[in-house]
Amino acid sequence: KQEVTQIPAALSVPEGENLVLNCSFTDSAIYNLQWFRQDPGKGLTSLLLIQSSQREQTSGRLNASLDKSSGRSTLYIAASQPGDSATYLCAVPSSGNTPLVFGKGTRLSVIA
Amino acid sequence: GAGVSQSPSNKVTEKGKDVELRCDPISGHTALYWYRQSLGQGLEFLIYFQGNSAPDKSGLPSDRFSAERTGGSVSTLTIQRTQQEDSAVYLCASSLQRGPYNEQFFGPGTRLTVL
Repeated sequence: KQEVTQIPAALSVPEGENLVLNCSFTDSAIYNLQWFRQDPGKGLTSLLLIQSSQREQTSGRLNASLDKSSGRSTLYIAASQPGDSATYLCAVPSSGNTPLVFGKGTRLSVIA
Repeated sequence: GAGVSQSPSNKVTEKGKDVELRCDPISGHTALYWYRQSLGQGLEFLIYFQGNSAPDKSGLPSDRFSAERTGGSVSTLTIQRTQQEDSAVYLCASSLQRGPYNEQFFGPGTRLTVL
């Protein structure tokens, strides 16, 4: 059974810092990995999707990497801003199926 | 449409009542998913539909939960005889087609409170 873990559970940084969020999964036979952002009381916004054949994906100040063999992904946020404050979730399709299995998220606070 | 929409955004009900939650997926998306996010819990899968295939109901927590999808588009999640533990945010997502390569897009959710 696929399990996803995110570390740290919460992170507080001053504005302008670069930061890394971590995600690990137990079954490395994944087809893709998706990173989401969730603002309080809101739904999920898809940030990046990495296919299993890819090592990384970039969107603006965000860079996500994937190492299938070690069951890990990282989300790198450059030059953090207060508007980046949110909960970040990673998710992978459950083994051999499409519903996503989510980590519990990392709650990020960027302090101005 | 611009994205996945859900209604109502908030629903407060009394224990024992039935509730219906609605999801409108992105136009043209053939796969539709329901998830639940409980306080202190992660997101958990409930059910998903792909085209005319039989839905995958493996995530439904009890037989009080059911869902249907009419005309391959709009979906309704029904919870009968609601219990306090059903209080959660119910999220709907859609993707272009079945298969693990496809990106899922989420709606804003319905916050259900059972008193």
